[in-house]
Amino acid sequence: ELKVEQNPLFLSMQEGKNYTIYCNYSTTSDRLYWYRQDPGKSLESLFVLLSNGAVKQEGRLMASLDTKARLSTLHITAAVHDLSATYFCAVDRVKTSYDKVIFGPGTSLSVIP
Amino acid sequence: SQTIHQWPATLVQPVGSPLSLECTVEGTSNPNLYWYRQAAGRGLQLLFYSVGIGQISSEVPQNLSASRPQDRQFILSSKKLLLSDSGFYLCAWSRDQDSRGYEQYFGPGTRLTVT
Repeated sequence: ELKVEQNPLFLSMQEGKNYTIYCNYSTTSDRLYWYRQDPGKSLESLFVLLSNGAVKQEGRLMASLDTKARLSTLHITAAVHDLSATYFCAVDRVKTSYDKVIFGPGTSLSVIP
Repeated sequence: SQTIHQWPATLVQPVGSPLSLECTVEGTSNPNLYWYRQAAGRGLQLLFYSVGIGQISSEVPQNLSASRPQDRQFILSSKKLLLSDSGFYLCAWSRDQDSRGYEQYFGPGTRLTVT
């Protein structure tokens, strides 16, 4: 059974600092997604990583995927308060028919001035 | 462009009352559709997903049910609500496995409080 873990689950960091959120999954998976959820709001897609070694960057966020290690990272550079949110990773497997996407528990990020 | 709607936005219902939440998607055809529930401060729990009209897969046995009467309409129902049904209900859609995999697009959500 595919399981997805994230760490840390809670992260408080100062503005201007760098940090990395980790997403581990238990079985071979081919694709990984990162989502952001602002407090009280819905989720929005951040990154789609479709192959081993994929790297995507948007502003101060950079995501990467290592399918051999079953690991994705979300790196935050020079954090700003606007990045405070909960970040979810999700994984699925390429198959001929639909196979469900499994979400991690989320990492709640708080950026402090 | 595609949009996803959910209503109502908020709902307060007594225990034992029925429930009907609606989700519609515009601007795409034959989407995969999903219902999730999120308890306060918690992660996402997948409740149902559908790959086509009348095709519903249930993830968690409980007092909820789902239906897909039209291609772009997904309904979540209950005959009798429990206190534990309180939460933030999110509908999402995805394309059927394209260049962006099963990237999901979420609706604004319905916040349900069962009293």
